[in-house]
Amino acid sequence: QSVLTQPPSVSAAPGQKVTISCSGSSSNIGNNYVSWYQQLPGTAPKLLIYDNNKRPSGIPDRFSGSKSGTSATLGITGLQTGDEADYYCGTWDSSLSGVFGGGTKLTVL
Amino acid sequence: QVQLQESGPGLVKPSETLSLTCTVSGGSISSYYWSWIRQPPGKGLEWIGYIYYSGSTNYNPSLKSRVTISVDTSKNQFSLKLSSVTAADTAVYYCARHFPRYGPLGYWGQGTLVTVSS
Repeated sequence: QSVLTQPPSVSAAPGQKVTISCSGSSSNIGNNYVSWYQQLPGTAPKLLIYDNNKRPSGIPDRFSGSKSGTSATLGITGLQTGDEADYYCGTWDSSLSGVFGGGTKLTVL
Repeated sequence: QVQLQESGPGLVKPSETLSLTCTVSGGSISSYYWSWIRQPPGKGLEWIGYIYYSGSTNYNPSLKSRVTISVDTSKNQFSLKLSSVTAADTAVYYCARHFPRYGPLGYWGQGTLVTVSS
């Protein structure tokens, strides 16, 4: 059972937009920045969004992040087949431990 | 470009100690925080713990009694030891860099699969 809650799967057609939610509590998301990671099949996770809504160099602006209270959301526009991956939210909690969501599998139909 | 590479035995017997090393290249291990994360087959990510280059550590409370993370700045490496392993510890183990302390995991190793089996 993961500390942060994500939907197991989402799907959308190429070119469409999708959002992935991440729900936590005041001891984690509510008081810390949220990051999002993309894990393509058979590869290591890659940082996609940090500090709630910032993109590392090289990440296209089709990817966006937001946070409100104890929840965060990842948005992806202009879906491409190459976006099919598992997406994880992550943050730190009051025990100073790293915590992750259970992951969301994105299918581009 | 910073690169991280995990290394160690791919098979460990139950009740023994799992030992992995992460070698950092393309940058210094100094001034950063270094974490271990694991992912059981077909499952999600679990944070194991971190070490600062100075040697200070913090561990996941659920694993704390069995985990030791150490650093060797002269070799630009840090290591993980997990004792009394069981089949539940079978996972891909990743090392990663973050800064500040409670910041994002910006660089990851490719991961190494460790199987616990007799």
